[in-house]
Formats: sequence, structure tokens, C-alpha cells
Amino acid sequence: DIQMTQSPSSLSASVGDRVTITCRASQSIGRFLNWYQKKPGLAPKLLIYAAHTLQSEVPSRFSGSGSGADFTLTISGLQPEDFATYYCQQSYSSPYTFGQGTNLEIK
Amino acid sequence: EVQVVESGGGLVQPGRSLRLSCTTSGFQFGDYSVSWVRQAPGKGLEWVGFIRSATYGGTTDYAASVKGRFTISRDDSKSIAYLQMNSLKSDDTALYYCTSQYDSGGYYYLDNWGQGNLVIVSS
Repeated sequence: DIQMTQSPSSLSASVGDRVTITCRASQSIGRFLNWYQKKPGLAPKLLIYAAHTLQSEVPSRFSGSGSGADFTLTISGLQPEDFATYYCQQSYSSPYTFGQGTNLEIK
Repeated sequence: EVQVVESGGGLVQPGRSLRLSCTTSGFQFGDYSVSWVRQAPGKGLEWVGFIRSATYGGTTDYAASVKGRFTISRDDSKSIAYLQMNSLKSDDTALYYCTSQYDSGGYYYLDNWGQGNLVIVSS
């Protein structure tokens, strides 16, 4: 199975900041990488698929990059509604494993 | 409007069985694979398994943690998917989400999620 490792596990930032979350796969997965946002009490929300394709209606301050085994999610100009937990997921091969999550908190 | 609703959860004793249902509407259910994802209390998201559409044989695959105990099935005529959970353990306690798997040029992703259904395994 492919292991997904996110860093950092938690992150404190302020409104307006630019933050970057990293996701590393245990093997090369091309661009088969998705990013989700999870808030307490709500279902996960797809942000980005295929490593850098923004899902419709997701604000453009979210961006994804990377290929192979190393990927990043960047949020440029944090908004209050962006404080949440973020997960990467590989869709290269089943089981389609998630990273352990990155909890983005308000500083 | 796409709707995905899970049901069937609750409190169950270890070793017993439970079946979750995922009732959908607003899209061509039969055209899509269906995945189940869970989140244990205080933990992250865990991919549980999925069932492919009939076009791709309706085959299934599972995480190692549930393989041999959980079975996913689907009834395309009713736009419903099921997660049959047998030999339940306390580690299976979680909020279970049903979601559709989309394919964009071979890139799969999960979109249109249910609100989740809580399963508590305890004596």
C-alpha cells in the first residue's frame, strides 16, 4: 500500500498569511493526488484533484503543485473560513490512502 | 441537486453486524463508483473501500483493516449503495461517509459526500 505523509501535522497562522502544506507519497504517484478540507461536523470537501486542478467553486487562493512523490497545497491570503484540517489522498492505486491530516489553526 | 444520505448506523456490540445504506439522488448513480470513508473519533480520514460501476464490472476493493469483514454492494435500480459490516470491533467505531468517485481523464477523486453516519461498537 502507498503511504501518504503530511507535514506539518499542525500549523498556526493568521488571517492574510500564505501557508503551505506538504504531502509525500511512499512511491511515485504521478499527479494522482487530491486535497480535501475537513471542518468539524461537516463532510470533507474536495479542493484540488490531479495535483493542481482546482475543483469548481473553490476559491483561487487555493493552489496545488507537485508530481511524482512530493506535493504541496498552498493557501494564499488565509481567510477565517479556511481554518480547518486538510488531507491529501492518492488515487494512483487502491487502497486510495489519505495522509494523516494537517490541522490549520488560528494564531 | 445531488443528494447523498447515509443511514443504518448506531450502537452495536463487538462481533455483531451492521449494514449501512447510502441513498442517492440527483445524478446518474449507476455511472459512478461509490466509496466509503470513515473517521474515528479524534482521528483522520480513512479510506474503507469502494465499488466500481457496472461498466467496470462492479468489482470492489477494501482497506486491509476491513478486508474480509466488510462488503460493499450496490443496487443501481434504486441508486443505493450498501456497506455490510461483520465481525465488528471497537476500532470500527467511526463516522462513516459515503461518496461518489469521479473520473477526470483517469484521475479519480471523491466528491458529493453524505453527512456521515455514526457507528459505535461497544458492549
